[in-house]
Amino acid sequence: KNQVEQSPQSLIILEGKNCTLQCNYTVSPFSNLRWYKQDTGRGPVSLTIMTFSENTKSNGRYTATLDADTKQSSLHITASQLSDSASYICVVTQGSSGSARQLTFGSGTQLTVLP
Amino acid sequence: EAQVTQNPRYLITVTGKKLTVTCSQNMNHEYMSWYRQDPGLGLRQIYYSMNVEVTDKGDVPEGYKVSRKEKRNFPLILESPSPNQTSLYFCATRGGGGNEQFFGPGTRLTVL
Repeated sequence: KNQVEQSPQSLIILEGKNCTLQCNYTVSPFSNLRWYKQDTGRGPVSLTIMTFSENTKSNGRYTATLDADTKQSSLHITASQLSDSASYICVVTQGSSGSARQLTFGSGTQLTVLP
Repeated sequence: EAQVTQNPRYLITVTGKKLTVTCSQNMNHEYMSWYRQDPGLGLRQIYYSMNVEVTDKGDVPEGYKVSRKEKRNFPLILESPSPNQTSLYFCATRGGGGNEQFFGPGTRLTVL
């Protein structure tokens, strides 16, 4: 069964600190992995996408890594800001194309950044 | 501006009273889908549509209907809502490479 597990479930850090969120998946065959940011009460917004051949990708203060051998990804946030407080969702796409039934969602990590 | 819109954003209703949540997109995407999001369960797909007049069940379709008569619209219909359908609902479209999904702002539904 395809699964995406995220850890920790929640995280509280102080403004300016760094943090790392984890995503482990069992989706096969693998196509790509996306990290989404979801602000409270809003729809998720894509942060990064990584394919099989990529092992790191940055988007400003967000850096995602992918280890396709161990089926693990991480999202590192540098110099956190209050606006980083949100839920971060890992989504893995199965195969090379197809329907959203081939998308497997993690349950998210709720990040709270305190002043 | 590319966007996905949903209406209403908030709705409180009673058991058994039929309701429709509308979803509209201006990106000319063929693919649209509906999700519900519940605490601790993440996003779960209800229905999806690959194109006009083509719809299929997702992971949790029971109690829901959809239609896709035009490319831009994909309404979600609850014929007889029940309290276990109280949730946050998202419409999403998908287009371009990489399967990026564009989500609407969400509809918070409460069924009493």
